[in-house]
Amino acid sequence: DAGVTQSPTHLIKTRGQQVTLRCSPKSGHDTVSWYQQALGQGPQFIFQYYEEEERQRGNFPDRFSGHQFPNYSSELNVNALLLGDSALYLCASSLARDGYGYTFGSGTRLTVV
Amino acid sequence: GEDVEQSLFLSVREGDSSVINCTYTDSSSTYLYWYKQEPGAGLQLLTYIFSNMDMKQDQRLTVLLNKKDKHLSLRIADTQTGDSAIYFCAESLSGGGADGLTFGKGTHLIIQP
Repeated sequence: DAGVTQSPTHLIKTRGQQVTLRCSPKSGHDTVSWYQQALGQGPQFIFQYYEEEERQRGNFPDRFSGHQFPNYSSELNVNALLLGDSALYLCASSLARDGYGYTFGSGTRLTVV
Repeated sequence: GEDVEQSLFLSVREGDSSVINCTYTDSSSTYLYWYKQEPGAGLQLLTYIFSNMDMKQDQRLTVLLNKKDKHLSLRIADTQTGDSAIYFCAESLSGGGADGLTFGKGTHLIIQP
């Protein structure tokens, strides 16, 4: 039973560029959340997708957007990259009706130069 | 706003008990969580506690919740070298179990031989 799969594992982008990160949830899960973890910090909630809609959003600018597909997989898009966007981006999946028990992926390490 | 506070480091001897402390601010939080992160890995859910509980025990792990003081602790009995990791305390954003989480900065648990 595959857990949460994220791609790519590492990525280097130039300031001002755009990036797309991908996440496949754990089998049976229908909800995907995205988190940003800067070095030495705890993860910060970006947003959550359920039934292909953004259900909840943290304190992140509109440069951060996402999408959920009918197969529950998800993408995180970041436009106009800033040096401060360098971080580990974590995807977590869950089953909405369970209400708890997120499964996290290993993350995508994004470096903006 | 919501904030979760943890001490940054804890050093214990192998075989001793480790107690990791956390304070949170959102009194409406219904679920409180402990996650473990090993180097280069995503977050692993260790345990969670509902806000109407005072204590929860799961094998070597004991969670204590003091709602009055908004204090949460995680006790690891018989600490082993494999317990070396960063431990994050987290609360649900809006009190619901399926909501995004607010994490602390994490406590680095260091095991001395």
